[in-house]
Amino acid sequence: QKEVEQNSGPLSVPEGAIASLNCTYSDRGSQSFFWYRQYSGKSPELIMFIYSNGDKEDGRFTAQLNKASQYVSLLIRDSQPSDSATYLCAVPNAGGTSYGKLTFGQGTILTVHP
Amino acid sequence: DTGVSQNPRHKITKRGQNVTFRCDPISEHNRLYWYRQTLGQGPEFLTYFQNEAQLEKSRLLSDRFSAERPKGSFSTLEIQRTEQGDSAMYLCASSLAHRGAKVKVANVLTFGAGSRLTVL
Repeated sequence: QKEVEQNSGPLSVPEGAIASLNCTYSDRGSQSFFWYRQYSGKSPELIMFIYSNGDKEDGRFTAQLNKASQYVSLLIRDSQPSDSATYLCAVPNAGGTSYGKLTFGQGTILTVHP
Repeated sequence: DTGVSQNPRHKITKRGQNVTFRCDPISEHNRLYWYRQTLGQGPEFLTYFQNEAQLEKSRLLSDRFSAERPKGSFSTLEIQRTEQGDSAMYLCASSLAHRGAKVKVANVLTFGAGSRLTVL
């Protein structure tokens, strides 16, 4: 089992719809979870991170974490064509001082069509 | 611009040649990371530095790869005797990690634009 798994998609949603991106992880010791967005040919940029069970909202984005199920998701409300990108789930190395050593999923390609 | 800077942005080389990439991190950041990304995959951790010390290197990293950060500022990643399988985007990132920082903040990476390597 991969350490971080995402549905590779592609996921296609109409403009204005809710896009739901999912990620599962294998290390139960993981404490925080990151979502990055990567436009084609560009580098990843952080959207948000979450470390507590439940929901965390930031504008049109909501991250949801369920540590018991080892599941984290990202919801994008009122999807726009500009949201079309690859979304990467990342989990830091659990414990120790290896901050920034992130394990990424393979990414989910999202296309929002007008 | 105080972002992470990488150069060259693109490098095409023949198999067997050596290549070197440079990364200039955000000046306030003490940690610097190298990742590699191939098409359709997420970034894969290679190595990281805190100041000038290389603290960890991926087990997957061949001995042909070497990274340095001599004065704790910019870093170089050298690949010797390149192989076609080395073709990828090499991403540099930086973050701030110190005793008083929250772990979650230290894990917030700012990536550079990347250096794309093509080995013919």
